[in-house]
Amino acid sequence: AQSVAQPEDQVNVAEGNPLTVKCTYSVSGNPYLFWYVQYPNRGLQFLLKYITGDNLVKGSYGFEAEFNKSQTSFHLKKPSALVSDSALYFCAVRDHPGGGNKLTFGTGTQLKVEL
Amino acid sequence: DSGVTQTPKHLITATGQRVTLRCSPRSGDLSVYWYQQSLDQGLQFLIQYYNGEERAKGNILERFSAQQFPDLHSELNLSSLELGDSALYFCASSATGTANAGELFFGEGSRLTVL
Repeated sequence: AQSVAQPEDQVNVAEGNPLTVKCTYSVSGNPYLFWYVQYPNRGLQFLLKYITGDNLVKGSYGFEAEFNKSQTSFHLKKPSALVSDSALYFCAVRDHPGGGNKLTFGTGTQLKVEL
Repeated sequence: DSGVTQTPKHLITATGQRVTLRCSPRSGDLSVYWYQQSLDQGLQFLIQYYNGEERAKGNILERFSAQQFPDLHSELNLSSLELGDSALYFCASSATGTANAGELFFGEGSRLTVL
């Protein structure tokens, strides 16, 4: 079964510093990987995805993610964090073939950006 | 605004009762997904419908059922409720086509509290 792991429950970073939220995956075949963000009392919002192609994927709000096949990782990054980036971040993998667009999510990482 | 509408936003009920959660997908989206989010279980996939037909099934209890109607809205029925069913229930929808594969649009959720 496809799965993703987020090893950190919480990441703290100072505003203006770079941030990294970690994700590792376990899939059979080529992975379809995603990052979503959840702000308090809101639904999840799509940030970016990796299907194929360049290992560095750019997404919304200045976020990017680096796909690393040898390390089976898909870490989310941002060069300069903002206080408004504070939220819960989920890594996800799409089930395929035959799984439609169903996503399996990681446990989430709470990002806290402080002044 | 994701375009996915969920009602009710909040629901408080007693053990043993039955509730129905409703979801209207984004205009044009044929797929609807139901997820349960709780503190101890994280974000768990329940079930997916595509154009009225069940497409994928996850960790959905036998006490729970869902359907998608001809107008594409979906309902999640939860019966014989237990305290442990207290959670945030999300509906998501997705566009068809590989270009958008895996991009889910989430509603803001229905928070169920079972007392």
